Amino acid sequence: EPEVTQTPSHQVTQMGQEVILRCVPISNHLYFYWYRQILGQKVEFLVSFYNNEISEKSEIFDDQFSVERPDGSNFTLKIRSTKLEDSAMYFCASSVDRTSYEQYFGPGTRLTVT
Amino acid sequence: QQQVKQSPQSLIVQKGGISIINCAYENTAFDYFPWYQQFPGKGPALLIAIRPDVSEKKEGRFTISFNKSAKQFSLHIMDSQPGDSATYFCAARSAGGTALIFGKGTTLSVSS
Repeated sequence: EPEVTQTPSHQVTQMGQEVILRCVPISNHLYFYWYRQILGQKVEFLVSFYNNEISEKSEIFDDQFSVERPDGSNFTLKIRSTKLEDSAMYFCASSVDRTSYEQYFGPGTRLTVT
Repeated sequence: QQQVKQSPQSLIVQKGGISIINCAYENTAFDYFPWYQQFPGKGPALLIAIRPDVSEKKEGRFTISFNKSAKQFSLHIMDSQPGDSATYFCAARSAGGTALIFGKGTTLSVSS
């Protein structure tokens, strides 16, 4: 069964460093998402992406964050200058298209900022 | 208005019992209500979802009940098994939007 994959599974970085989290969405899906989950808390929406443009973003997704689809398979989330409070699980998700509401999540990348 | 309120925070059920998790919302623009199951260290997995034009949807042991007038929906897990022990999140999405708004989650423990 097709699934969303994410790399790395765990990333440790120092405060102020840039990190790039990578995702490979399900191959025939056209909508891509990033969510984050701070330890023990709920899953929070960051951004959705379609046709090489941001479709929707939350208040969390400020100028420190950016997303990109650098090629036909990868979808990335970049955090320019990490802060301690960016420590969280970051989940990538994908859906077939906008009319298909079902979003399928990857296993996540645990980001630890020290 | 964008919140989804979920209860209880934790739930302990005997094997074979019925687990019931409730969610409530305010935003009448929400038109899609999924439930996700999450095991420790894993991503949320879509379990079952409902649109507001139906009052109930059943898939195996999992049933969503939806009350549009009360703006509430619930997940029922029949014949709960130890393998169902996980965190369950309800969510909602607005018509015209893309973001899933999640509840805070319910940690279910099914004792054998």
